[in-house]
Amino acid sequence: DTAVSQTPKYLVTQMGNDKSIKCEQNLGHDTMYWYKQDSKKFLKIMFSYNNKELIINETVPNRFSPKSPDKAHLNLHINSLELGDSAVYFCASSQDKLGYTFGSGTRLTVV
Amino acid sequence: GENVEQHPSTLSVQEGDSAVIKCTYSDSASNYFPWYKQELGKGPQLIIDIRSNVGEKKDQRIAVTLNKTAKHFSLHITETQPEDSAVYFCAPDRGDDKIIFGKGTRLHILP
Repeated sequence: DTAVSQTPKYLVTQMGNDKSIKCEQNLGHDTMYWYKQDSKKFLKIMFSYNNKELIINETVPNRFSPKSPDKAHLNLHINSLELGDSAVYFCASSQDKLGYTFGSGTRLTVV
Repeated sequence: GENVEQHPSTLSVQEGDSAVIKCTYSDSASNYFPWYKQELGKGPQLIIDIRSNVGEKKDQRIAVTLNKTAKHFSLHITETQPEDSAVYFCAPDRGDDKIIFGKGTRLHILP
């Protein structure tokens, strides 16, 4: 009965590769998000998306792209991975933009 | 843009004692004030929140107080227990998906 589930939990890949992280929420929330958490635990929003609008944090490189096949899914695609992309990526959802429900995270390691 | 600061960055408290974490923000348009708890290897979890028309809210051992004039809100944990050890984040929100999380407070409950 996981509310927000993301896969994989761990991802190790080489520089230059393209990878995807999947996220699904079964809460019926209207908005989904991707967050990046670095080694110092700082959480930064990358994207927020609902059926009407995609909001992109201007600091996110265009190698990162969210794709939403439907309201319950928001996948994260990353092209040409770099060492600095290593982090934990969290998917989250909310209803009416009040309070987030986070997934358990995907630890991405680029070698 | 919003400037969010949390203090302290690290807090050690004897089991059974109280812990207080403070969050200051700069955007007077913020109207929703949540606290998240992140345990090791997990995603942040919403533990308590408050709206701008309320000064204090309690839920068992945790409480949040808001001083909108001074632009700060605090998390209070009473009768601390080992399971309270975690990283706590504030995330003042004005409802536009441009949320900035505080840098986190690592709380250690000492036996």
